Amino acid sequence: AQSVAQPEDQVNVAEGNPLTVKCTYSVSGNPYLFWYVQYPNRGLQFLLKYITGDNLVKGSYGFEAEFNKSQTSFHLKKPSALVSDSALYFCAVRDGGSYIPTFGRGTSLIVHP
Amino acid sequence: SQTIHQWPATLVQPVGSPLSLECTVEGTSNPNLYWYRQAAGRGLQLLFYSIGIDQISSEVPQNLSASRPQDRQFILSSKKLLLSDSGFYLCAWKGAAGSGELFFGEGSRLTVL
Repeated sequence: AQSVAQPEDQVNVAEGNPLTVKCTYSVSGNPYLFWYVQYPNRGLQFLLKYITGDNLVKGSYGFEAEFNKSQTSFHLKKPSALVSDSALYFCAVRDGGSYIPTFGRGTSLIVHP
Repeated sequence: SQTIHQWPATLVQPVGSPLSLECTVEGTSNPNLYWYRQAAGRGLQLLFYSIGIDQISSEVPQNLSASRPQDRQFILSSKKLLLSDSGFYLCAWKGAAGSGELFFGEGSRLTVL
């Protein structure tokens, strides 16, 4: 079984400040972890993934995420937020042997000018 | 490069009418294909996935069906729409091998009146 939780429905941050969007997961095997972003009325866009290797993963648009095995977390981060980062962010997890990722409910990120 | 096309982008249908949403992928072979529905509350619900032609798994019993008549074509259908079928429908693909992320189409917004 696999599951993912995004504990915050919404995150507010001022432009220029660092941002964190939280994600915790549960899988029975090795976790494949993903972050996606969705702008209004658009499909999801892939940001970054962790499969193996370095715990800090860098992705598109200056985003990064840190895999923490002991805390079963994969939080999304960015050192300096932009207003254009405002969107809906989804964390997803997949057991290595599965075809199907499980998505979190999404976190709405609002960056204030 | 790979691309995914999904249409129509928007449609308004009366209750009881049929539905056909189409998704095609270019630039890859034997992809895994997925249909998701995103209701107003934001979460993604997996409806169907397919690992090959005429190999389709249904995740949720419902008023919808899916078909994969060709390797890179995935069709979502209904014979009689219900009000509850309204939502944002997303098609996605993943490479058959490896750890790959999903690539999403731009979505089809269905309103059933």
